[in-house]
Amino acid sequence: AQSVTQLGSHVSVSEGALVLLRCNYSSSVPPYLFWYVQYPNQGLQLLLKYTTGATLVKGINGFEAEFKKSETSFHLTKPSAHMSDAAEYFCAVTRGGGSQGNLIFGKGTKLSVKP
Amino acid sequence: EPEVTQTPSHQVTQMGQEVILRCVPISNHLYFYWYRQILGQKVEFLVSFYNNEISEKSEIFDDQFSVERPDGSNFTLKIRSTKLEDSAMYFCASSEGQWADQPQHFGDGTRLSIL
Repeated sequence: AQSVTQLGSHVSVSEGALVLLRCNYSSSVPPYLFWYVQYPNQGLQLLLKYTTGATLVKGINGFEAEFKKSETSFHLTKPSAHMSDAAEYFCAVTRGGGSQGNLIFGKGTKLSVKP
Repeated sequence: EPEVTQTPSHQVTQMGQEVILRCVPISNHLYFYWYRQILGQKVEFLVSFYNNEISEKSEIFDDQFSVERPDGSNFTLKIRSTKLEDSAMYFCASSEGQWADQPQHFGDGTRLSIL
């Protein structure tokens, strides 16, 4: 069985500050990991994904995430927050080894950016 | 950029009534999915669909739910006799294939309110 835990339902940062959104996963098989972003009244947009290979993955809008198997983590970071980053962020996991299967999501973290 | 479109954006229905939520996946995509998000809770997988049949479904997807691809473009989710607890945001997604390098693209969702 697989699961995702996102620490912190709400994170607030100042514009220009580091963004760190935490995600830990549980999986009995090698996972595929994803971060999605949801802006108000919109659907889920893929930010980045990890499947195999390089453990540091870069996504859109300057975000990146690092897969750490020893820590079962896939935290999302951005060096400098922008007002437009305010949104809700979802970490998701699916089984690896080929077919992605259905996505299992975390509860989401709402990011606020203060001017 | 092609996108998944969902209609209506908001559906209000009396308890016990049937409701059909509609989705138009991206045109060259072959895999289709429904997810739901009850207010304040996780996004949960309902069902995946490929080659005109259900390929995977969750425990939530009981006999009250059905999916259909009635023509070459639409993908629908039907709830036969709605319950109060069906109130949620329903997301449709599609992917070109089932591999993780072919990620799922989401629509903006339909907010279903059961009275």
